[in-house]
Amino acid sequence: EPEVTQTPSHQVTQMGQEVILRCVPISNHLYFYWYRQILGQKVEFLVSFYNNEISEKSEIFDDQFSVERPDGSNFTLKIRSTKLEDSAMYFCATLRLGRPEAFFGQGTRLTVV
Amino acid sequence: KNEVEQSPQNLTAQEGEFITINCSYSVGISALHWLQQHPGGGIVSLFMLSSGKKKHGRLIATINIQEKHSSLHITASHPRDSAVYICAVKFFWGGRRSGGGADGLTFGKGTHLIIQP
Repeated sequence: EPEVTQTPSHQVTQMGQEVILRCVPISNHLYFYWYRQILGQKVEFLVSFYNNEISEKSEIFDDQFSVERPDGSNFTLKIRSTKLEDSAMYFCATLRLGRPEAFFGQGTRLTVV
Repeated sequence: KNEVEQSPQNLTAQEGEFITINCSYSVGISALHWLQQHPGGGIVSLFMLSSGKKKHGRLIATINIQEKHSSLHITASHPRDSAVYICAVKFFWGGRRSGGGADGLTFGKGTHLIIQP
């Protein structure tokens, strides 16, 4: 069973629509991160989240983006009004208590049309 | 500017060969990760290093903090090792030493490895 599961695996949405990407760790995961990878480019850091608040964010993470853990397990990334340039693979990563390495989800491929 | 450089960008080798992928970074770091990205896009963490050397199966990762350089080695390579290998580092931020987790990682462009049977 994977440490981190992301849903959906692929989402197609129209420009201007809101999307919510979900990340579900197994348990005992303390730190949560979102990264994105535009096709053919490097993976880029978006935001880190600890103790129910954002601890770091990049300049990419503007007011269109938000994160939360609504029920203490799911970790979500919301894009309020999608733009064409938001099309990318979005990865959730977590850090688990007692383990030094980060666990990455399989990613959500977001396509904005 | 905080940079992460990987080499080579592309590497094709024959099954059984010893593989080395290199990663250099520009300034001090608190941790370095080696990641594997499969053709479908999923990312798997292979190692996290802050010093020395780690070994897991046929994979070996080393880091030289003074030279700001890390290498990932694959012994007895196999076609199933074909993937993109990514180096990612956590730079010190403004002198504050952050944890070695996945906070604000800066990624290299990756090395596309193909192992031919």
